[in-house]
Amino acid sequence: QVQLVESGGGVVQPGRSLRLSCAASGFTFSTYAIHWVRQAPGKGLEWVAVMSSDGNNEYYADSVKGRFTISRDNSKNTLFLQLNSLRADDTAVYYCARDATIGWPRGYFDYWGQGTLVTVSS
Amino acid sequence: EIVLTQSPATLSLSPGERATLSCRASQSVSSYLVWYQQKPGQAPRLLIYDASNRATGIPARFSGSGSGTDFTLTISSLEPEDFAVYYCQQRSNWPPITFGQGTRLEIK
Repeated sequence: QVQLVESGGGVVQPGRSLRLSCAASGFTFSTYAIHWVRQAPGKGLEWVAVMSSDGNNEYYADSVKGRFTISRDNSKNTLFLQLNSLRADDTAVYYCARDATIGWPRGYFDYWGQGTLVTVSS
Repeated sequence: EIVLTQSPATLSLSPGERATLSCRASQSVSSYLVWYQQKPGQAPRLLIYDASNRATGIPARFSGSGSGTDFTLTISSLEPEDFAVYYCQQRSNWPPITFGQGTRLEIK
């Protein structure tokens, strides 16, 4: 069965960095785009970034552009999100989510991980 | 950026009743509107894609309708497990992908 498992969250001071991972199994990872979506405590969902299946294309929300970097290692079935220059308003549960279609991303999500909590606080 | 506005913010109903949730887009998204359900402590779950197509394994009591700027998620007869938060999301013009702020469906 399809599984996405995030890791790497934790408590970090403002201005510092963190790297999140999303380990995938149960499907051919290299054929799907994967997204990051976050949810601040008690708030709604915010799309963060996406990387295409081959790793050649990436897109970001304006709120994280220039600070976050998405990447993937198809040989290890893993997606990453490098979070730099973290701010208090980056505090959220970060989910990785599979794009619902093989190939070029269509922009919606059929499987989600359980999320990893990032808390930015001094 | 396309803004999605969901109404009502909270809907209080009893099991067996019909639920109607709305999502309005700031500009046309054609039929590229998606619905998710989220329960406390869980990740969102895909319910409906492209306005009216149920995702795999979603019960028939869930249905979606609409096009352009106005969309509706209908739950024909509420089951106890349906009480949750529901989000709409557009995939018409992205990036960015945008979500509505959510409708909380609570037991009356």
